[in-house]
Amino acid sequence: QVQMVQSGAEVKKPGASVKVSCKASGYIFTSYGINWVRQAPGQGLEWMAWISAYNGNTNYAQNLQGRVTMTTDTSTSTAYMELRSLRSDDTAVYYCARDSGVRAFDYWGQGTLVTVSS
Amino acid sequence: EIVLTQSPGTLSLSPGERATLSCRASQSVSSSYLAWYQQKPGQAPRLLIYGASSRATGVPDRFSGSGSGTDFTLTISRLEPEDFAVYYCQQYGSSPTFGQGTKVEIK
Repeated sequence: QVQMVQSGAEVKKPGASVKVSCKASGYIFTSYGINWVRQAPGQGLEWMAWISAYNGNTNYAQNLQGRVTMTTDTSTSTAYMELRSLRSDDTAVYYCARDSGVRAFDYWGQGTLVTVSS
Repeated sequence: EIVLTQSPGTLSLSPGERATLSCRASQSVSSSYLAWYQQKPGQAPRLLIYGASSRATGVPDRFSGSGSGTDFTLTISRLEPEDFAVYYCQQYGSSPTFGQGTKVEIK
């Protein structure tokens, strides 16, 4: 069965960087894209970026351009999200989600809490 | 950016009742690009509906989606105890966006 397993919680200081991983299994990794979505405490969902696991093409949300980088390692079926210059308002649960191919996100990781605090 | 506005913010209903959730877009959205998700506390979102009206795998048929253009609806025909959750609509364009969510709570 399809699974997306994310790395564990992180605590970072303002100005630092964080890199979250998302290991996929149960399907052909390069056949689907991966999205990243975040959710601040008590808030809604915010789409961050998409990456093609096939060729590495990316699409980033405009408000995160320049601070976020998505990569994949096809040898381990793992996607990565790196966010730099962290601020307190980056505190959120970060989710990876498979791009279903029918224009929706069909399988989600369990979420990774990133806390930014001095 | 396409803004999705969901209403109501909170829906208070009893098990067995019908729930009707609305999602309005700031500009026309292709029906193929509209999805609905359910999220329970402490859990990741779960895909319910894609293409405005197609149920995802394993989703009970009490969930249905409809709409076109700028107005979309998620209907839960008879609420079960496990349906009390927050529901989000999403448009899948070049820059996907989500609505702010509708909480369906037990009355």
